[in-house]
Amino acid sequence: KNEVEQSPQNLTAQEGEFITINCSYSVGISALHWLQQHPGGGIVSLFMLSSGKKKHGRLIATINIQEKHSSLHITASHPRDSAVYICAVSSSDEKLTFGTGTRLTIIP
Amino acid sequence: EAGVTQSPTHLIKTRGQQATLRCSPISGHTSVYWYQQALGLGLQFLLWYDEGEERNRGNFPPRFSGRQFPNYSSELNVNALELEDSALYLCASSIGTSGGTTDTQYFGPGTRLTVL
Repeated sequence: KNEVEQSPQNLTAQEGEFITINCSYSVGISALHWLQQHPGGGIVSLFMLSSGKKKHGRLIATINIQEKHSSLHITASHPRDSAVYICAVSSSDEKLTFGTGTRLTIIP
Repeated sequence: EAGVTQSPTHLIKTRGQQATLRCSPISGHTSVYWYQQALGLGLQFLLWYDEGEERNRGNFPPRFSGRQFPNYSSELNVNALELEDSALYLCASSIGTSGGTTDTQYFGPGTRLTVL
């Protein structure tokens, strides 16, 4: 079993829809990261959080430490949001462990 | 401000050769991380350098090595290349104040290594 599990693996939605991507982890963590990877490989760090909720524009990330679960939400989705979204956790051994990613496609 | 840069963009080698990949962090960042993303697989942590020293490494054989220079740029060396080393190698940098992986990391565009 992977230490970091994401769901769904693939998600296709219409422009404007509210998107939720989930991440569950099985180890104790010091922080959780959400990353965005566009075709071609470029990666952008979206959020780093260790508790509560963070918001940046149309993106919201939440984490529940007790339940070992985080969600990434996108409001008013747009085709330019199409990318792979990756959850990663920092654990006590100071390594980032990554989920396998969620491929999001937003159809105009 | 310039972001993280990596060179070369693409690298083609044959099995058994050595590959050297380079990374320049964002100015002011002291930590550099290396990751491997093989086709169809997720990102895997390779190495972490901070202030010139190797701080941690992932589950990779010793033929994966690197170093960090006084200007905080870094090199990843892969010796005795194998076909399965073909992957996108990503470098990231962070400011390194809180240490480890609780700093926001900024990623470079990657080097695509192909081993024939």
